[in-house]
Amino acid sequence: GDSVTQMEGPVTLSEEAFLTINCTYTATGYPSLFWYVQYPGEGLQLLLKATKADDKGSNKGFEATYRKETTSFHLEKGSVQVSDSAVYFCALSANAGGTSYGKLTFGQGTILTVHP
Amino acid sequence: DADVTQTPRNRITKTGKRIMLECSQTKGHDRMYWYRQDPGLGLRLIYYSFDVKDINKGEISDGYSVSRQAQAKFSLSLESAIPNQTALYFCATSDLSWGQETQYFGPGTRLLVL
Repeated sequence: GDSVTQMEGPVTLSEEAFLTINCTYTATGYPSLFWYVQYPGEGLQLLLKATKADDKGSNKGFEATYRKETTSFHLEKGSVQVSDSAVYFCALSANAGGTSYGKLTFGQGTILTVHP
Repeated sequence: DADVTQTPRNRITKTGKRIMLECSQTKGHDRMYWYRQDPGLGLRLIYYSFDVKDINKGEISDGYSVSRQAQAKFSLSLESAIPNQTALYFCATSDLSWGQETQYFGPGTRLLVL
């Protein structure tokens, strides 16, 4: 079945440091890929997504590129802020013929803490 | 006002009790989902519904049931709660556009079963 693996956490960085959170997936066909962020005490929010190979999703300074050859969707940000402290989830949605099955498979989440 | 609301936000109950978690949405989406979140396990799908007459089991449906009362409402029930159902529960909605979709999550319900 489909699966998503994220790098082990937690990740602790100083403000303005470079961030990478690794995500690899296993799926048949051509899934859509997502990064969701969960701030303390809140639900999940979509951060960015990519629907086909070589697509780059970006939002709020975060980027991730859909790499089919390495089955990866790593999240990056050039300069993190204290306000980026949150839990980050990588997820996939299986597609068939361009139509999403609509069910998300999540990674285990990575806790990011950014210190001033 | 939030597009996806969940009630209650926090609940403490005892083993064997029946409880219901409710989800309402104002986004007009057909698809709704219930997930549970456990530390280190990410989110796992309990049930999902693609419209009012379509309800499907997810990855971990045992011990749970659902009701889709209307397009905007999707309730999750624990018929006889047990301690390992202690978790954070999320409702989500989505709309399929151009063959792709994005899910929108509620704020979550934190459930403790004693």
